[in-house]
Amino acid sequence: NAGVTQTPKFRVLKTGQSMTLLCAQDMNHEYMYWYRQDPGMGLRLIHYSVGEGTTAKGEVPDGYNVSRLKKQNFLLGLESAAPSQTSVYFCASRQLAGESTDTQYFGPGTRLTVL
Amino acid sequence: QKEVEQDPGPLSVPEGAIVSLNCTYSNSAFQYFMWYRQYSRKGPELLMYTYSSGNKEDGRFTAQVDKSSKYISLFIRDSQPSDSATYLCAMSVPNTGNQFYFGTGTSLTVIP
Repeated sequence: NAGVTQTPKFRVLKTGQSMTLLCAQDMNHEYMYWYRQDPGMGLRLIHYSVGEGTTAKGEVPDGYNVSRLKKQNFLLGLESAAPSQTSVYFCASRQLAGESTDTQYFGPGTRLTVL
Repeated sequence: QKEVEQDPGPLSVPEGAIVSLNCTYSNSAFQYFMWYRQYSRKGPELLMYTYSSGNKEDGRFTAQVDKSSKYISLFIRDSQPSDSATYLCAMSVPNTGNQFYFGTGTSLTVIP
């Protein structure tokens, strides 16, 4: 199993450009998450999904949109990139709540720079 | 006040030392407690997982949860240079689908 994979690994954008980050998981998890990680700020939740076709806002959703058309994929979109969105983005998936364990599995991250 | 507080360090210890990493929290509903290890330029990986109170041991790592004090710890015995990483604590409430609560991470360097 590949676990959680993210595409691309690195990207440089100019202000105003758009892009989509792809997250894929092969563990059949219901829940998926997008975080950003900035120095001194820890992991901050952008958006999350509790199942195919559902999405919800997290702590810092402004400037981002998401879609979960297939259970195994969770897409994060930036419609008009801003320098404040320079960050490392992590996707995570989670076993369905209520089972004997409750943890998130992370992808390797996408390093995004917005000039 | 943040839900989870963690001293960011940095922490620097000699090889072979015992390391103690800690987090405090404010939400008494937390039942699941986790420690993640994150190497530089990598994603967090699950290191230890504990449900409710008590201790859990896995090799050189021991996780402790004290729910009465709202305090969790990770101990690393016989620390190795390969343990150099950032350690994040995380917690969650059972049967809530939305969010884990993460500490900001403690940076650890083990000096050979």
